[in-house]
Amino acid sequence: QKEVEQNSGPLSVPEGAIASLNCTYSDRGSQSFFWYRQYSGKSPELIMFIYSNGDKEDGRFTAQLNKASQYVSLLIRDSQPSDSATYLCAVFSFNDYKLSFGAGTTVTVRA
Amino acid sequence: ETGVTQTPRHLVMGMTNKKSLKCEQHLGHNAMYWYKQSAKKPLELMFVYSLEERVENNSVPSRFSPECPNSSHLFLHLHTLQPEDSALYLCASSRTSVVGNEQFFGPGTRLTVL
Repeated sequence: QKEVEQNSGPLSVPEGAIASLNCTYSDRGSQSFFWYRQYSGKSPELIMFIYSNGDKEDGRFTAQLNKASQYVSLLIRDSQPSDSATYLCAVFSFNDYKLSFGAGTTVTVRA
Repeated sequence: ETGVTQTPRHLVMGMTNKKSLKCEQHLGHNAMYWYKQSAKKPLELMFVYSLEERVENNSVPSRFSPECPNSSHLFLHLHTLQPEDSALYLCASSRTSVVGNEQFFGPGTRLTVL
C-alpha cells in the first residue's frame, strides 16, 4: 500500500528563519509531488508542485525532490507568522492515478 | 477562496436523516473529487469523476452516494450515516484525472452526525 510519511510536528521556528519540512513516499512509481498549505479551519491550497529531481523555487518557497531516495522537501525562507499552518505533502502515481496525502506537518512561526 | 464552492459549509444530521452535499467548480476542469478529512489523519480519497464518469471508488460505504450531473457539479448524497462519519468533506477539481494535475479544493463541509 502506498504511503506518504511526514513528521507531524509541531515544527516551531522563529520569524525570519528557514522552516524545513520533509516527506517520504513508498511508491517508486510516483511521478508528481505537491505541497499544500492548510490553515486551521480552512481547505488545502496548493503552494508548490515539482515533477523533476532537483530544486524548484517560487518566492520564499523551495521544493526539493530526490526520486532515488523517495524524498521530497519544502523549505520556507524568511518565515513569517502568516506561514503558521499545516503543510500537506501529496504524491501522484501513474500506477493507479491516485493522489495520496500525508497527514501533514504543523508549522508555528514565533514572532 | 478558490473557484470551487461547497454548500452547506456546516451540517448537523441525525443517523436517520438524508442530506446532500453540493460542490460546484468554476474553473473549466474535467475532473472532480470527494475527500474525507478526519482529525490527525491524511486526506482520504472517496470518489473521482472524470468527464462525468466515476473512475474511482475507494471502497466507500454505500451510505455515501455520489452524483455528477455535469462537469461543473458534484453531489454527495448521505443516508443513515454513523457518528464516525463526522468529518470535513472536501471537494476538489483538476483539469483531468490523469497526469499529476494539481487539484484545487473547495472550502469544505463540516459534517457532524449525532
